[in-house]
Amino acid sequence: QVQLQESGPGLGKPSETLSLTCTVSGGSISNYYWSWIRQPAGKGLEWIGRIHTTGSTNYSPSLKSRVTMSVDTSKNQFSLKLSSVTAADTAVYYCARMGPDDSRGFDAFDIWGQGTMVTVSS
Amino acid sequence: QSALTQPPSASGSPGQSVTISCTGTSSDVGGYNYVSWYQQQPGKAPKLMIYEVSKRPSGVPDRFSGSKSGNTASLTVSGLQTEDEADYYCSSYAGSNNFEFGGGTKLTVV
Repeated sequence: QVQLQESGPGLGKPSETLSLTCTVSGGSISNYYWSWIRQPAGKGLEWIGRIHTTGSTNYSPSLKSRVTMSVDTSKNQFSLKLSSVTAADTAVYYCARMGPDDSRGFDAFDIWGQGTMVTVSS
Repeated sequence: QSALTQPPSASGSPGQSVTISCTGTSSDVGGYNYVSWYQQQPGKAPKLMIYEVSKRPSGVPDRFSGSKSGNTASLTVSGLQTEDEADYYCSSYAGSNNFEFGGGTKLTVV
């Protein structure tokens, strides 16, 4: 079965760029949309954005100016870069597949990684 | 605050039914049949329970059901079990390739 695993530095400094990678195993990354979602401690979920394996991206309006996503189909990986981070960006970051049925990826986040904690602190 | 409104908490006794609401607008919940629900146990990633308003992924018990009326979607858990105690989040497509979540509801099985 398809599994997702997030990786990246767990600590960053204010004003720096946060970089995370999600590795997809047990299946192909192709022909799906893949999302990043975050959750501050004790709070709710926030959609950050998504990327299709064609490279097409959509970002949350509230984060659009700071977010860049990319995909490497040869490695079955996709990545997130969040620039100019502050303490407010401290959260658990999840990657997720968008599915299971709609080819436009509108239906749901059907497979999730376990999440990776990122702390922004000087 | 979250774009979709959920009650902060809900509770029920084992065997009972409980319904959690998720209220949006005609631009999200009311405008599309792309509402999904997620169960999150402490320290774990969310798990998809319902998608496209009322569809259940394989492996999700039929005690979980979803519906929608106007701008409000609902998740009903019937025959409550202790293992259903968790946080539940709704999500909706909001048009223009944008997605929203609710603030979450903590379900307690007392």
